[in-house]
Amino acid sequence: EAQVTQNPRYLITVTGKKLTVTCSQNMNHEYMSWYRQDPGLGLRQIYYSMNVEVTDKGDVPEGYKVSRKEKRNFPLILESPSPNQTSLYFCASRGASLNQPQHFGDGTRLSIL
Amino acid sequence: GDSVTQMEGPVTLSEEAFLTINCTYTATGYPSLFWYVQYPGEGLQLLLKATKADDKGSNKGFEATYRKETTSFHLEKGSVQVSDSAVYFCALRHSGNQFYFGTGTSLTVIP
Repeated sequence: EAQVTQNPRYLITVTGKKLTVTCSQNMNHEYMSWYRQDPGLGLRQIYYSMNVEVTDKGDVPEGYKVSRKEKRNFPLILESPSPNQTSLYFCASRGASLNQPQHFGDGTRLSIL
Repeated sequence: GDSVTQMEGPVTLSEEAFLTINCTYTATGYPSLFWYVQYPGEGLQLLLKATKADDKGSNKGFEATYRKETTSFHLEKGSVQVSDSAVYFCALRHSGNQFYFGTGTSLTVIP
């Protein structure tokens, strides 16, 4: 079954404690993205990647890092989380052809105290 | 820069009513346009898309037409069902993998 899997689904942590949200896809997709969803703001793209070792900033990259060492994985790293990063995060992937749809994970709800 | 503006919700309709959710965009060139749907507790799913002017995307009774002259991509459905209750997002992709989403419109359909 085609899937984008994020872990953890829920996390409560404290300011300054480094955390990583993992994202893995089993569709051999070239493109992957991270978004955050906040009330009244919709989804905003944090980072995206067009292939292994190729990453670009989206609209709201501050405070986040990503890496793409393997095609299937695209972890999101918060080196020093702050309360304003409390949000619902989605990973997505799609194939390289122009009209390929994005497949989204089920989301990770992060609370930074 | 590129952006998407969609009708604010929440929208509440009776079953079998006609639905319109407005979406307009700002972008240079010719972006691809999308509608996504999000059911409670789930990620987004592609509902329909259009990649060039005058294209009509359709799926599950929903339709949207890419209107370059009015920079719009309004979502319509002739007869909504309770199962259509969800949050709907309009989005554009201008180039590569950079997407811009609207703020989402919550739809509730009552029996």
